[in-house]
Amino acid sequence: VQLLESGGDLVQPGGSLRLSCAASGFSFSSYAMSWVRQAPGKGLEWVSVISGSGGTTYYADSVKGRFTISRDNSKNTLYLEMNSLKAEDTAVYYCAKDTSGLPRGAFDIWGQGTMVTVSS
Amino acid sequence: DIVMTQSPDSLAVSLGERATINCKSSQSVLYSSSNKNFLTWYQQKPGQPPKLLIYWASTRESGVPDRFSGSGSGTDFTLTISSLQAEDVAVYYCQQYYSTPYTFGQGTKVEIK
Repeated sequence: VQLLESGGDLVQPGGSLRLSCAASGFSFSSYAMSWVRQAPGKGLEWVSVISGSGGTTYYADSVKGRFTISRDNSKNTLYLEMNSLKAEDTAVYYCAKDTSGLPRGAFDIWGQGTMVTVSS
Repeated sequence: DIVMTQSPDSLAVSLGERATINCKSSQSVLYSSSNKNFLTWYQQKPGQPPKLLIYWASTRESGVPDRFSGSGSGTDFTLTISSLQAEDVAVYYCQQYYSTPYTFGQGTKVEIK
């Protein structure tokens, strides 16, 4: 069971980025997936969740309207489209597997994370 | 939003001694219909992602040593490490999944005295 994030980069304020999370070792479409971020030296902040089918999504207020979560179950891949990036979005972004097909919010598998830096 | 507050922010415990971390939620995370508390505990070691230790407030994840235990209900919860080992040095987070946005405590850093 593995999650592998990619796509993190240095981007200017106002810019865009798309993160990917490739899943393996489990039935990807059977589980909801989340993105959780951690600013340097700080705690954990949940960002967004998507159900196993992709039909249900929720967002933290801090990213609502700027970030879009999606998934391609045929490719076992989770995405996070990030627009209008701000300095405060600088963080390691983790993808995390939920314990249920519907969003439950308990995360039993985490990726290693990908770093997003927003700076001019 | 449900605010999660952990105490203390850090603690130093001798090897083999007990470590206790508290977590308080701003509103109950107990679903009366299922009688389950929507509360997890995670361990994060430096440079690593978080690891799930406890879910439903007191159910140990598979493979987690039995020196880790969770207790509490409603708004007050505790993570106990019964006999601290060197490999337990980490930051511990509680998290509620009663409602979105899912929220974490600020973390408690556990060190060896």
